Amino acid sequence: GAGVSQSPSNKVTEKGKDVELRCDPISGHTALYWYRQRLGQGLEFLIYFQGNSAPDKSGLPSDRFSAERTGESVSTLTIQRTQQEDSAVYLCASSLGPASVGGELFFGEGSRLTVL
Amino acid sequence: GQQLNQSPQSMFIQEGEDVSMNCTSSSIFNTWLWYKQDPGEGPVLLIALYKAGELTSNGRLTAQFGITRKDSFLNISASIPSDVGIYFCAGRAGGTSYGKLTFGQGTILTVHP
Repeated sequence: GAGVSQSPSNKVTEKGKDVELRCDPISGHTALYWYRQRLGQGLEFLIYFQGNSAPDKSGLPSDRFSAERTGESVSTLTIQRTQQEDSAVYLCASSLGPASVGGELFFGEGSRLTVL
Repeated sequence: GQQLNQSPQSMFIQEGEDVSMNCTSSSIFNTWLWYKQDPGEGPVLLIALYKAGELTSNGRLTAQFGITRKDSFLNISASIPSDVGIYFCAGRAGGTSYGKLTFGQGTILTVHP
């Protein structure tokens, strides 16, 4: 596609439920990134993929968070047993080259998660 | 972990004025980046800096990579209403952290016509 596409754009869920957030990177981009942005804050790194492997998942806040990427394309971020503190905008980005060469990141519009 | 201190947190200026914002870090970065975020959208890259001391311009925007590699500034000259938004600095440490950007807290810019 023309840009990074994320779905859903908005998700409201009840505390304790599981949610899945999807990211479609720009076609041909080999690296994919997930960031979290709380209201009025900067972006927090969660995880990045080079191809289908995740060299750095150091930003995942807890074992309730997981992510996978298949076919060097779509990625899914899963949050299990959601808590109110998980409420945030989850941003996905992709870059053409490997993360090691510092390729420019193109961000999607984000998925806004609200946990009641 | 690495932290970026970005200032000011917000700015209210008149159209035509110049703007300056900066970021400082507790550790060294190999790359400094400046992003702009409009409401409901993801950040968009404005300027990328790859070498200590580098000064780069993009239209009315100018940014510099500090010599100590622990700071950067962004200047916007002759501001216009469409400059409104949130500006973020971001740093990349390199090594095994190449995939990770550390972001500042953002500077909210308001431009009065």
